[in-house]
Amino acid sequence: KAGVTQTPRYLIKTRGQQVTLSCSPISGHRSVSWYQQTPGQGLQFLFEYFSETQRNKGNFPGRFSGRQFSNSRSEMNVSTLELGDSALYLCASSSPGPQYFGPGTRLLVL
Amino acid sequence: EDQVTQSPEALRLQEGESSSLNCSYTVSGLRGLFWYRQDPGKGPEFLFTLYSAGEEKEKERLKATLTKKESFLHITAPKPEDSATYLCAVQGGSEKLVFGKGTKLTVNP
Repeated sequence: KAGVTQTPRYLIKTRGQQVTLSCSPISGHRSVSWYQQTPGQGLQFLFEYFSETQRNKGNFPGRFSGRQFSNSRSEMNVSTLELGDSALYLCASSSPGPQYFGPGTRLLVL
Repeated sequence: EDQVTQSPEALRLQEGESSSLNCSYTVSGLRGLFWYRQDPGKGPEFLFTLYSAGEEKEKERLKATLTKKESFLHITAPKPEDSATYLCAVQGGSEKLVFGKGTKLTVNP
């Protein structure tokens, strides 16, 4: 089975721009979660989607949003980028059970 | 609020030198405790799920155990390829996965 895929793998943006990241879960997995990973804060939960509905949300500002499509693929969007948004963004899918992670998207905000 | 604390933050071992990593947690209604391994620049790789106190899981040189307050990841006779950051996470009644900050393990040949 193919694993979780994320695109793009690397992104460089400037402050004030917006960005959209994409995640394709493992086939048959209907739950997709997003995390932000930074050296100082570790892995922090952003939100979880199940059957196109947001089921859980972490403590991030409204600039961070997401959605899930009928084929379980998911996107997350960050608007009005800030320097502190530079991080590795990870997507994970589950069926339920353990979450399986993708390779992440490395975002650098200049 | 669910919390996970991992110790030590970093651990350096010689090849063959066994040791344990600790994961202390507080959670409302434990649904599962998870161990992951993360290599630099990659996403976490799932290792184990533990569901109740007393449960143990093994995989090659790794063994995970669980009590009501903490979990241990025992590494027996480690090899350099075991070098990675090991992450612990809990899932409680909210179903959110809460991660610790990890233990960075270095195994020298």
